[in-house]
Amino acid sequence: DTGVSQDPRHKITKRGQNVTFRCDPISEHNRLYWYRQTLGQGPEFLTYFQNEAQLEKSRLLSDRFSAERPKGSFSTLEIQRTEQGDSAMYLCASSQTGWETQYFGPGTRLLVL
Amino acid sequence: SQQGEEDPQALSIQEGENATMNCSYKTSINNLQWYRQNSGRGLVHLILIRSNEREKHSGRLRVTLDTSKKSSSLLITASRAADTASYFCATDVNSGYALNFGKGTSLLVTP
Repeated sequence: DTGVSQDPRHKITKRGQNVTFRCDPISEHNRLYWYRQTLGQGPEFLTYFQNEAQLEKSRLLSDRFSAERPKGSFSTLEIQRTEQGDSAMYLCASSQTGWETQYFGPGTRLLVL
Repeated sequence: SQQGEEDPQALSIQEGENATMNCSYKTSINNLQWYRQNSGRGLVHLILIRSNEREKHSGRLRVTLDTSKKSSSLLITASRAADTASYFCATDVNSGYALNFGKGTSLLVTP
């Protein structure tokens, strides 16, 4: 399978706990994006990497959120001290420079109790 | 806040009928894309139309773009039950960076 993969697919955690999600983009893609989608809404942009450099961050990405892409391949998104409002689907997408189409993974659904 | 807004929010049709969804946006764009999302899953790219294009076709899909009205429409012809999904328009303002999605149109196609 050469698509974007995300792990885990589902995560249930208690308020105050830290969680980390992983995204593996399509191998030749140098751009990687994180989005968050809540019920009944479209995805909202969180952050974007070109290779290992984080080039853009949304105001939605509070200090409790951190994303990395250390070797320009996979990426992790960590949420510290989770809150119930963090419950959402976290989507990862990748693309190649010069191509505007983004390819999305299946998402990680987070539920904070 | 989200840039695009789809209309209608929900649409129910029978197999074989055509489905039309509209998208309005607020700022100048480089391109506009349509994505489909099946229940609880990731998004699948359907079609991209650039700001200098007015109409584009892909199989049973037809997309139009009117930059003067800041609007786009997606037409699905001869719909099938498998077309049941949510459809989102997404605007690309900076060419390859963040996509701004609307809230989507939920399409139900009944046999």
